[in-house]
Order: sequence, then structure tokens, then C-alpha cells
Amino acid sequence: DAKTTQPNSMESNEEEPVHLPCNHSTISGTDYIHWYRQLPSQGPEYVIHGLTSNVNNRMASLAIAEDRKSSTLILHRATLRDAAVYYCILRAGTSYGKLTFGQGTILTVHP
Amino acid sequence: NAGVTQTPKFQVLKTGQSMTLQCAQDMNHNSMYWYRQDPGMGLRLIYYSASEGTTDKGEVPNGYNVSRLNKREFSLRLESAAPSQTSVYFCASSEARAAVQPQHFGDGTRLSIL
Repeated sequence: DAKTTQPNSMESNEEEPVHLPCNHSTISGTDYIHWYRQLPSQGPEYVIHGLTSNVNNRMASLAIAEDRKSSTLILHRATLRDAAVYYCILRAGTSYGKLTFGQGTILTVHP
Repeated sequence: NAGVTQTPKFQVLKTGQSMTLQCAQDMNHNSMYWYRQDPGMGLRLIYYSASEGTTDKGEVPNGYNVSRLNKREFSLRLESAAPSQTSVYFCASSEARAAVQPQHFGDGTRLSIL
């Protein structure tokens, strides 16, 4: 699987939008961009995924650059419960389902 | 919704002891996975089962065995525990193994081996 690069940490204030960046310059045409998050002492939780177009769901939005070499996870209004480690993961379209977790971004949300 | 249930939540073993970690999902998913997470690191895949009756090795299978007992249950066995296997173990499931399918995780088993 291609490699992703994320900032080690980010901070936000409660009720403000948060933009979490991810670089994936070696992405291939069949790689899906997935985001998971892991709250303290819990298992990872699926957030969103996309291939080429921007995606929205009840948890977040995913903005994908036109050249697909980067993407941004957008939390529209951060809450304290959004404090977690966020992982940006590329999954090859032909993969058997393995998720390759990197270091992720630690998001701190201030009240 | 229970989702993915792992038992036990915590366990302490002595070196050389054996143990089975249990995982069950109630979402009628075809694929199941076992990962381990060491402090400050991302998850690494140990074994996976693409469908009932099949199992395959992941990145770090040495020292582990698995059994896909039925569609719901996927167990991980440590035959002779070693301190290097101290970790948090996560079980996950997905509807299928395709790259578009999200994986659903349990809350983990925290295993310490002395």
C-alpha cells in the first residue's frame, strides 16, 4: 500500500471546524482513501472513505485534491468527543482488506 | 447494537502459558481480522479470514494461530506466550474484504505477559 503523511498533532477549539490534512503523493489510480479514528482506550472507528470525488456523511467530509495526491478530513464543528488519533489510510482496490495504520494525527479539542 | 465483542478485556499471563482470545460479531459480516497495537504504534494485521472456512496470514503471524469457528466467531490463540506478545489485540469485521468496505472494530483485549 502507498504511504501517507500526516501531522503528528493538531489542536482545535470546541465548536470550530477542523481540517486534518493527509499527503499521499504515491497514490495509485485504484487506491481508496480511508479515514479512521481511535478514541482513548477504544478500537478504531471508521469515519469516511472516497476515491476521486468529495464525500460527506454524518460524521465528516472528505475533500480530495484534483490530482489525488492529498486529501483533507473536515470535522465541521469539533466536540470534545472528537479528540482522538485520526488515521489516513490508502487501500488498494485489489487488496484483501488489510488496513495499514501509520502514526496518525493526535487531535486535541479545547473547551 | 453489540457490533464486535471481544473477550476477555484484560488478561495477564506468564511466559509459556497458552490462551485464546475470543471475538464475535453480530453484523453477519463475511470477513474478520485480528490486529495488534503496541504502544505509540499503529495497528498491525496478524491474521484474517476472508470468509467462513478460510484463514490467511497477515504481517505478523508468528506465534499465533486462528480459528474461524463459524461466520460469527474468530478466535486467536497464543500457544506459548512470550513477553514480546504483550500488546492490545483488536478484532475487526467487514461485510467483505473489498477495499471499499469499512472495518468495524471491537474495544480490544489488553494482554500482558510477564
